[in-house]
Amino acid sequence: KAGVTQTPRYLIKTRGQQVTLSCSPISGHRSVSWYQQTPGQGLQFLFEYFSETQRNKGNFPGRFSGRQFSNSRSEMNVSTLELGDSALYLCASSWGGKDSTEAFFGQGTRLTVV
Amino acid sequence: AQTVTQSQPEMSVQEAETVTLSCTYDTSESDYYLFWYKQPPSRQMILVIRQEAYKQQNATENRFSVNFQKAAKSFSLKISDSQLGDAAMYFCAYRQGAQKLVFGQGTRLTINP
Repeated sequence: KAGVTQTPRYLIKTRGQQVTLSCSPISGHRSVSWYQQTPGQGLQFLFEYFSETQRNKGNFPGRFSGRQFSNSRSEMNVSTLELGDSALYLCASSWGGKDSTEAFFGQGTRLTVV
Repeated sequence: AQTVTQSQPEMSVQEAETVTLSCTYDTSESDYYLFWYKQPPSRQMILVIRQEAYKQQNATENRFSVNFQKAAKSFSLKISDSQLGDAAMYFCAYRQGAQKLVFGQGTRLTINP
């Protein structure tokens, strides 16, 4: 059974540009969550998608957005990149039900903004 | 808002010995989950152990066990017979309801051969 796949693994962008990150969940999982990890702020929840609908949202500006497709694959978009957006972006998948107990993480996308 | 606190930024232990990582959390809820995740240099978060708040029995997974004190809102991780492969960042996390994890700041664990 394939794990959670995030692409690309590494990305370098320039301030002001936009970027799209992709996450393919484990087969059968309907929930995808995104997290930002930085040395200063630690791991912070961005948003969660379940069955193509955003179900939860963290405290991030509107420049951060996402979507989920019918096959449960999710994309995260960051517009007008800032230096502070440099981070490791992790996605996690789970089947998403109330009793869902475990989230499985991908290896992350390392975004560097210069 | 729920918060998770790990008061030990770094810990070290001799190989084959036992180490305990501390975690406290703040919540007014009674039904929730607690987790310990391990993040090795590869950066992939790996679930080590989970605890359902309604269960009084402490969770155990091989060499890993927890001491869950619900009233004190404490959730420590004990690693027995430490191995070199246990070296990593360890994160304590809380989840209540939907799939949103609240993480602590992490503890970097070093294993000395």
